[in-house]
Amino acid sequence: GQQVMQIPQYQHVQEGEDFTTYCNSSTTLSNIQWYKQRPGGHPVFLIQLVKSGEVKKQKRLTFQFGEAKKNSSLHITATQTTDVGTYFCAGPLYNFNKFYFGSGTKLNVKP
Amino acid sequence: EAQVTQNPRYLITVTGKKLTVTCSQNMNHEYMSWYRQDPGLGLRQIYYSMNVEVTDKGDVPEGYKVSRKEKRNFPLILESPSPNQTSLYFCASSFVPSGSSYEQYFGPGTRLTVT
Repeated sequence: GQQVMQIPQYQHVQEGEDFTTYCNSSTTLSNIQWYKQRPGGHPVFLIQLVKSGEVKKQKRLTFQFGEAKKNSSLHITATQTTDVGTYFCAGPLYNFNKFYFGSGTKLNVKP
Repeated sequence: EAQVTQNPRYLITVTGKKLTVTCSQNMNHEYMSWYRQDPGLGLRQIYYSMNVEVTDKGDVPEGYKVSRKEKRNFPLILESPSPNQTSLYFCASSFVPSGSSYEQYFGPGTRLTVT
């Protein structure tokens, strides 16, 4: 069954509002990656977090990896229409080979 | 240009007719993988390969086969497609450094419909 869950499934925001998606794994992840998929496109790598409690920032995007390495979040400050897409978390569970993706959060930004 | 290519991009076929979706990467990546994407389920890994002649099952391998005879190519084979294999398929590749994982580069996707 699904090992990595993501919430919410959908999020509609007004441009300028903040957005957060949460990722939870039933078991410890060795690391976690985040990807963005634009409508009609393919997933594109955003970032990888490795250490427990790690926080990384990319401009308006903030990524966190939980202390227990079982959860993660992506926060976007002051969304823009260019942020539209589906955001996925992904991680290898027991080794570095077999990957599990979250179900994704589809973000829609109204101008 | 560094890229992962897939062919065909779109395919409509009938139940039971064997098909192959090709995947090729020009980045000398050791790791290659196939995923299927279905609404509400995210991406699910079908098969992956750590290097030439080394393949292993992902989360949903039933009904699929793969081969890795060359480092750059990783074809996905559906010996007898069924309607429940209608999906969007992505091939991906990455380096495999020791003790970690690396970002995956995805191909453009193949939309398969089995009637």
